[in-house]
Amino acid sequence: DGGITQSPKYLFRKEGQNVTLSCEQNLNHDAMYWYRQDPGQGLRLIYYSQIVNDFQKGDIAEGYSVSREKKESFPLTVTSAQKNPTAFYLCASSIGPNPYNEQFFGPGTRLTVL
Amino acid sequence: AQSVTQLDSQVPVFEEAPVELRCNYSSSVSVYLFWYVQYPNQGLQLLLKYLSGSTLVKGINGFEAEFNKSQTSFHLRKPSVHISDTAEYFCAVTPTNYGGSQGNLIFGKGTKLSVKP
Repeated sequence: DGGITQSPKYLFRKEGQNVTLSCEQNLNHDAMYWYRQDPGQGLRLIYYSQIVNDFQKGDIAEGYSVSREKKESFPLTVTSAQKNPTAFYLCASSIGPNPYNEQFFGPGTRLTVL
Repeated sequence: AQSVTQLDSQVPVFEEAPVELRCNYSSSVSVYLFWYVQYPNQGLQLLLKYLSGSTLVKGINGFEAEFNKSQTSFHLRKPSVHISDTAEYFCAVTPTNYGGSQGNLIFGKGTKLSVKP
């Protein structure tokens, strides 16, 4: 079955640590996205990538970093510079970057800072 | 810039009753409009989208939405809800112009639909 997988489902981090969230898709999609979801806040875009080896900052990129070395993978690193990282993180992909293309979402990773 | 306002943060309703979830948007350019559903601790799933043409759009699970350009609204409706419709619903917009940078989705803050027996 084609889809998007995110791992781990739950992640706990101590303050000052960097952590990496995994996102893999086998849909052969060119575009991939990372969103952050906070209760009552909707989704906010962190980073997006239209194609391999290219990515752009979204609305709330500070304290995060990404890479796109392979078409199917778009890992997100939450660095110690992110002041309030506890949130639900969602990865998505679309066949291409055109705005009418549907974005497909993964099941999410819930990150908690202890 | 675009913004999306979902007018109700929570909507309780009894099973088999009709429901309307309201969404208004603000944009100086033309937009595409979407409704997504999120079940607890899961990702989002597309319910329906408006790109062009008929302003009444039908989606999955019996939902429909009507685009009203003059009122800048895209309200979601279902004539008879089920317990299984209990979830959070998000309205989103994106500009139709694609100039090489991604027309990113701008989401509303969500409406929690709670269907009671």
